[in-house]
Amino acid sequence: EAQVTQNPRYLITVTGKKLTVTCSQNMNHEYMSWYRQDPGLGLRQIYYSMNVEVTDKGDVPEGYKVSRKEKRNFPLILESPSPNQTSLYFCASSLTGLGGFYEQYFGPGTRLTVT
Amino acid sequence: GQNIDQPTEMTATEGAIVQINCTYQTSGFNGLFWYQQHAGEAPTFLSYNVLDGLEEKGRFSSFLSRSKGYSYLLLKELQMKDSASYLCAVRAGGIHDMRFGAGTRLTVKP
Repeated sequence: EAQVTQNPRYLITVTGKKLTVTCSQNMNHEYMSWYRQDPGLGLRQIYYSMNVEVTDKGDVPEGYKVSRKEKRNFPLILESPSPNQTSLYFCASSLTGLGGFYEQYFGPGTRLTVT
Repeated sequence: GQNIDQPTEMTATEGAIVQINCTYQTSGFNGLFWYQQHAGEAPTFLSYNVLDGLEEKGRFSSFLSRSKGYSYLLLKELQMKDSASYLCAVRAGGIHDMRFGAGTRLTVKP
């Protein structure tokens, strides 16, 4: 089954304790992205990757890191989480190419609470 | 700036028709997407418009007017399972440049 998986689905942690949220897709998609979703703000892009070893900042990258060592995986790293990073996080992936329509497939989400 | 505006909440009756509007102002335009998101779940793709006009897909239709910066999602024969948030998103440039509205929470009542 074609899918994007994320782990963990739920996480409660304390300020300053490093954490990693994993994201994996089995569709051989070049493009992967991380979003956070907060009430009233919609989905905001944190980082994205156009392919292996190619990553770039989105709209809200502060406090986050990513890496893309393999095509299927795109982990999100919070080196020193703070309460303002409490949010619902989604990983997404899609094909790329010139023109055309490429929908994004979203993972199930990770609800993170930082106390 | 870049704005995607849609109503925060709407309520409709089972079996009825509802139209969810979206207006946008973005630096560029390379397609408009509608996603459905049930509470606590991932967004799932509903429709895509890149040219002006109406795209129909079963009970769901989406309309685009690029000159007006306007789109709507039309849901017919509403069912209780259609209660969800509906996200309007504009691809302003390259594949990475997706701008999402805050979503419209639709409640379908019996």
